[in-house]
Amino acid sequence: KQEVTQIPAALSVPEGENLVLNCSFTDSAIYNLQWFRQDPGKGLTSLLLIQSSQREQTSGRLNASLDKSSGRSTLYIAASQPGDSATYLCAVPNTGNQFYFGTGTSLTVIP
Amino acid sequence: DAGITQSPRHKVTETGTPVTLRCHQTENHRYMYWYRQDPGHGLRLIHYSYGVKDTDKGEVSDGYSVSRSKTEDFLLTLESATSSQTSVYFCAISEAPGQVFGRYTFGSGTRLTVV
Repeated sequence: KQEVTQIPAALSVPEGENLVLNCSFTDSAIYNLQWFRQDPGKGLTSLLLIQSSQREQTSGRLNASLDKSSGRSTLYIAASQPGDSATYLCAVPNTGNQFYFGTGTSLTVIP
Repeated sequence: DAGITQSPRHKVTETGTPVTLRCHQTENHRYMYWYRQDPGHGLRLIHYSYGVKDTDKGEVSDGYSVSRSKTEDFLLTLESATSSQTSVYFCAISEAPGQVFGRYTFGSGTRLTVV
């Protein structure tokens, strides 16, 4: 079974800082990796999907990288804003059409 | 989220009663999933479907059943609700989860309280 770990579990930064969220997985035979954002009491919103053949994917101030061989992905957020405060989760599919999720990193950006 | 609707959004029910949650999609995606989300456990897969009448169990399927009679609807039934099933339930859809372009889309969730 795929194990997905996200460190740290919580992170607090002042506004304007650049930050990195980490995701690690145990089975490197993945097709893609997806990063989500979840606001309190809300559903999950897809941020970025990075395919196994890619090393990076960018959307605005967000940049996701993927290193399959080491079983790691990072989500880089540039110039953080209070509106970025949320829980960020990563997910990987296995060959059985199931997705495995990390437990998330709760981010607080302090104005 | 556009294209995927969960109902009801909130429900309070008594222990021992059956409860059905509905997920409806307009994307014509083949795969549909039910997850529960609990503090300290993250998202855990209950059941999923890979086509009409084709379903399979996830890691926390005990006490739950599902049905999919149409592509657009995936129902989750708690056969006899217990307090341990108090949770937030999310439905998700995917066109091709095992493929390099397979994106996952979530509904807004159903908050279920069993008293």
